Amino acid sequence: NAGVTQTPKFRVLKTGQSMTLLCAQDMNHEYMYWYRQDPGMGLRLIHYSVGEGTTAKGEVPDGYNVSRLKKQNFLLGLESAAPSQTSVYFCASSYGFGYEQYFGPGTRLTVT
Amino acid sequence: GESVGLHLPTLSVQEGDNSIINCAYSNSASDYFIWYKQESGKGPQFIIDIRSNMDKRQGQRVTVLLNKTVKHLSLQIAATQPGDSAVYFCADPRGGADGLTFGKGTHLIIQP
Repeated sequence: NAGVTQTPKFRVLKTGQSMTLLCAQDMNHEYMYWYRQDPGMGLRLIHYSVGEGTTAKGEVPDGYNVSRLKKQNFLLGLESAAPSQTSVYFCASSYGFGYEQYFGPGTRLTVT
Repeated sequence: GESVGLHLPTLSVQEGDNSIINCAYSNSASDYFIWYKQESGKGPQFIIDIRSNMDKRQGQRVTVLLNKTVKHLSLQIAATQPGDSAVYFCADPRGGADGLTFGKGTHLIIQP
């Protein structure tokens, strides 16, 4: 099993550009999550999904959109990137609420 | 607000010594905790977990202690090795309505 994979690994955007980060998991997990990690801030939840076709806002959802069209994929979109969105983005999945989360390797995004 | 928090952002230990990383939580109803290890450039990985019906749980070179009276848990790493250098997070998988709540992390630095 590959576990949780993320693409791309690195990306540089100019302010105002858009992009989509892709997360895929092969563990048949119902729950999937997108976090951002900034120095000294720990991990902060952006959006999450409790199953195919569902999404919900986390702690810091502004400026991001998500979609879960297939159970194994969770996409994070930035419609108009801002320098404040420079961060490392982690995707995770879990069997259900309150279970261990499995994390992907991260995507390092820089917005100039 | 944050429901779990680590006491020290950085901990420096000599190679071969034991390391103790502390974490406090605020929710008396929390009954399950996970410790994650995040190496540089990687996503967090599960180390060990503990349920509230236990005071202590041991793994390979790691021990987690839970004190429900003072709402405190600790991660002890025996005979610290260079490969233990990482950021360690305690997490309450049921800490928020959306699931996992992370502390900010303690960076463990191993000195030769």
